[in-house]
Amino acid sequence: GEDVEQSLFLSVREGDSSVINCTYTDSSSTYLYWYKQEPGAGLQLLTYIFSNMDMKQDQRLTVLLNKKDKHLSLRIADTQTGDSAIYFCAEKDDYKLSFGAGTTVTVRA
Amino acid sequence: DAGVIQSPRHEVTEMGQEVTLRCKPISGHNSLFWYRQTMMRGLELLIYFNNNVPIDDSGMPEDRFSAKMPNASFSTLKIQPSEPRDSAVYFCASSSEKRGGTEAFFGQGTRLTVV
Repeated sequence: GEDVEQSLFLSVREGDSSVINCTYTDSSSTYLYWYKQEPGAGLQLLTYIFSNMDMKQDQRLTVLLNKKDKHLSLRIADTQTGDSAIYFCAEKDDYKLSFGAGTTVTVRA
Repeated sequence: DAGVIQSPRHEVTEMGQEVTLRCKPISGHNSLFWYRQTMMRGLELLIYFNNNVPIDDSGMPEDRFSAKMPNASFSTLKIQPSEPRDSAVYFCASSSEKRGGTEAFFGQGTRLTVV
């Protein structure tokens, strides 16, 4: 079965880096994802990583994958107020996406 | 493309009434998903269609829930009769590749309140 876990809250000062952590259990996951949800909106894909990669960088976003420990992290550099949202980690096995509970990121001035 | 379109955005109904949620996937996408989001249970996959055929409905809570996809551009999720515990945000998502694709695009969701 799938079980994705994340910390629930993160508070960060504007301009600092945010790091959101996630652990998953399904070793057969092919892709791992980070989605962002703003209030009243649907989920927006931020980035994803193939399970055979260790790192992926996309502008301010860096994803690190430790497959041995089944640990995924998302680093947001130079965090802005617009980054305040809920961030979901998800793993994909075949067609099914299994989501974590989401980490609420609050950016303070 | 306008993205995945869901209607209505908000629905308030009385317990026992029938509720129908609608979804128009992105044109050309052949996979469609219905998810439910609640504070207690997070995001749960209810049902997955591929090429209009239900492939996995193991997440459908009970017989009160049913979903259809009569064609590639339309899907419905029906709850009959509705109960207060069905109150949640229901998301539809679509993707383009066989077996679910790389990215699932989500609609804005329907916030359902059953009183």
